Amino acid sequence: QQQVKQSPQSLIVQKGGISIINCAYENTAFDYFPWYQQFPGKGPALLIAIRPDVSEKKEGRFTISFNKSAKQFSLHIMDSQPGDSATYFCALRDSSYKLIFGSGTRLLVRP
Amino acid sequence: DTGVSQDPRHKITKRGQNVTFRCDPISEHNRLYWYRQTLGQGPEFLTYFQNEAQLEKSRLLSDRFSAERPKGSFSTLEIQRTEQGDSAMYLCASSPKRTGNTEAFFGQGTRLTVV
Repeated sequence: QQQVKQSPQSLIVQKGGISIINCAYENTAFDYFPWYQQFPGKGPALLIAIRPDVSEKKEGRFTISFNKSAKQFSLHIMDSQPGDSATYFCALRDSSYKLIFGSGTRLLVRP
Repeated sequence: DTGVSQDPRHKITKRGQNVTFRCDPISEHNRLYWYRQTLGQGPEFLTYFQNEAQLEKSRLLSDRFSAERPKGSFSTLEIQRTEQGDSAMYLCASSPKRTGNTEAFFGQGTRLTVV
C-alpha cells in the first residue's frame, strides 16, 4: 500500500521562481518528515526535515510546511536556481527509523 | 572519507548468477539500512540492522536475498539466482542510535543490471 503520495511527478520552474512539492500520508505512526534531494548517479541526501509538533521550518531558501490535521506536508524552494535541478523525495520515518519514500518529483529550473 | 561507502558502484550479471554487494557505514553508526530504488521511483526499504542484529525485513526481500552484518561493522547483501526484475539501484544508509532528528546518510549505491 502506498503510505505517502507525492505530487507533482515533474516540475519546471524559471530561475528565481518558487518550487512547491506536496506530500500526503495516510496514518499517524510517523515522527519525522524529511525531504531528500537526489542528483543522477548519487544517493539521496537530506535537505530539510520537520517533526510533527512544528508547523513550519525554514532553512535558507528551503521551507517545509506541515499540516498535521490534513496529514500533508510540502517543500517550498524560494528563488529556485538551476543547481536545484534534481529529484526530490518526501519521506516518513517510523519507529524503527526506517524511511518510507514518496515517488519523487523531478525538478528542472530553467536559467 | 567518512561517508557511507558501497562497492561495487556498478554490476552487470547474467540471469541466474549470484551477486554480493558491500556497504561500509559511517564509523560508529550502529543502524544500517538497505533500500532498493528502481528507475523513476523512490527508494524502498529492504532490511535493517542494529549492530549485528537484523531486526526487520521487508516483504520485498524474497528468499533469494540475504543480508549480513558481521560484528556490527560492514554489511553485505547477496542476491542468489538473479532475475531481470532484480535490476535496480541498491542503496545502503546508516544512522547513529540516538533519539531525535537523527539523519540517515546514504551511500552512492550499487547499480545492478541483470541481462
